[in-house]
Amino acid sequence: DAGVIQSPRHEVTEMGQEVTLRCKPISGHNSLFWYRQTMMRGLELLIYFNNNVPIDDSGMPEDRFSAKMPNASFSTLKIQPSEPRDSAVYFCASSLGGGTYEQYFGPGTRLTVT
Amino acid sequence: GNSVTQMEGPVTLSEEAFLTINCTYTATGYPSLFWYVQYPGEGLQLLLKATKADDKGSNKGFEATYRKETTSFHLEKGSVQVSDSAVYFCALREGGSYIPTFGRGTSLIVHP
Repeated sequence: DAGVIQSPRHEVTEMGQEVTLRCKPISGHNSLFWYRQTMMRGLELLIYFNNNVPIDDSGMPEDRFSAKMPNASFSTLKIQPSEPRDSAVYFCASSLGGGTYEQYFGPGTRLTVT
Repeated sequence: GNSVTQMEGPVTLSEEAFLTINCTYTATGYPSLFWYVQYPGEGLQLLLKATKADDKGSNKGFEATYRKETTSFHLEKGSVQVSDSAVYFCALREGGSYIPTFGRGTSLIVHP
């Protein structure tokens, strides 16, 4: 299996622009998670989906952030409009289930907003 | 709520030294416990896990034992290598829950 795939790996954009991050989870996994990692705040869970349905989005910072999962093999995280404080590494992870199952992380998208 | 506390880093060691990274947790139920490792420029990857009390997880020379009485899951390795330099995250997941709780991560730097 190719693992969790994320694109792009790096994104540089100007403040105010729309940014879309993409994720393909591991086939057969029923849970998908979006995280943000910064030096200041560490690893933060933004949202998670179970069977393509958003279950908990309490970690989404504000209305500028939105996430979708139209099918079991694709998810997007959109920021509109972007701000410099959104600069971070964004990870997507998938899991076969809860409890004892581990998460599989993608390589991340490094976002820089100037 | 649940929480995971890890020792502050960075931990700096010479090659072949003994490693311990402390991890303690607070949970309302009976969680599974995990150690993840993040190499520079990469995502987190599972290093080892334990799903019940007294279980020992092990992988690549690393070990951790699930201690319910002390609510701990300390990571150990007998002889570290330069290639072990990375950030290590302790995490827990309650049975039936999909949301994990991560520690802040501990950076390990191993010098030749």
